[in-house]
Amino acid sequence: DSGVTQTPKHLITATGQRVTLRCSPRSGDLSVYWYQQSLDQGLQFLIQYYNGEERAKGNILERFSAQQFPDLHSELNLSSLELGDSALYFCASSPPRGLAGAADTQYFGPGTRLTVL
Amino acid sequence: AQTVTQSQPEMSVQEAETVTLSCTYDTSENNYYLFWYKQPPSRQMILVIRQEAYKQQNATENRFSVNFQKAAKSFSLKISDSQLGDTAMYFCAFMKHAQIGNEKLTFGTGTRLTIIP
Repeated sequence: DSGVTQTPKHLITATGQRVTLRCSPRSGDLSVYWYQQSLDQGLQFLIQYYNGEERAKGNILERFSAQQFPDLHSELNLSSLELGDSALYFCASSPPRGLAGAADTQYFGPGTRLTVL
Repeated sequence: AQTVTQSQPEMSVQEAETVTLSCTYDTSENNYYLFWYKQPPSRQMILVIRQEAYKQQNATENRFSVNFQKAAKSFSLKISDSQLGDTAMYFCAFMKHAQIGNEKLTFGTGTRLTIIP
């Protein structure tokens, strides 16, 4: 158990719908990352937050958005869903620099499997 | 931009044998980190081992060790005394060093390893 939690574990929805994926980072971790794992695209970085602020964006579609709240949990919002959005979505967290033995390492949650029908 | 290449899509080895998974990467960065993550059938992403580029000594974690060749931009994973529980998808990942917080992971396409009883 990495200490990163994600809900829900599975999500089945229809095209055109909107869903919200939730992530709680490990205690003390300030950075949250979202990754998408699909069969055709592999593991791709979507977006990163650091202590509530957006820090980096990857190949994230305009239909997708995210935020990190004051309690450091994060939500990934996916709207106008398409069949191709079906994937495993991972959240990862990492501690602030300076923590010996843990710096610069990302710990992954169990993922949310999204199926768009 | 960084790229990570895993040229072995699939490998199999007999239980108790040693196996080496290959990974090469391309970057213009001098300070970075390399990781091997394991993804068993449960789909959880599990950190296997990490290597700081500024360290010449190869990282080891029990039965897992790496051969890090910075000049050749090569980062292979050796699994000794392989066990059935090592059956999984293995991903090589790159992360550049950042002054504040941490950076995204760039993943290879993975190697599916099967341990044969």
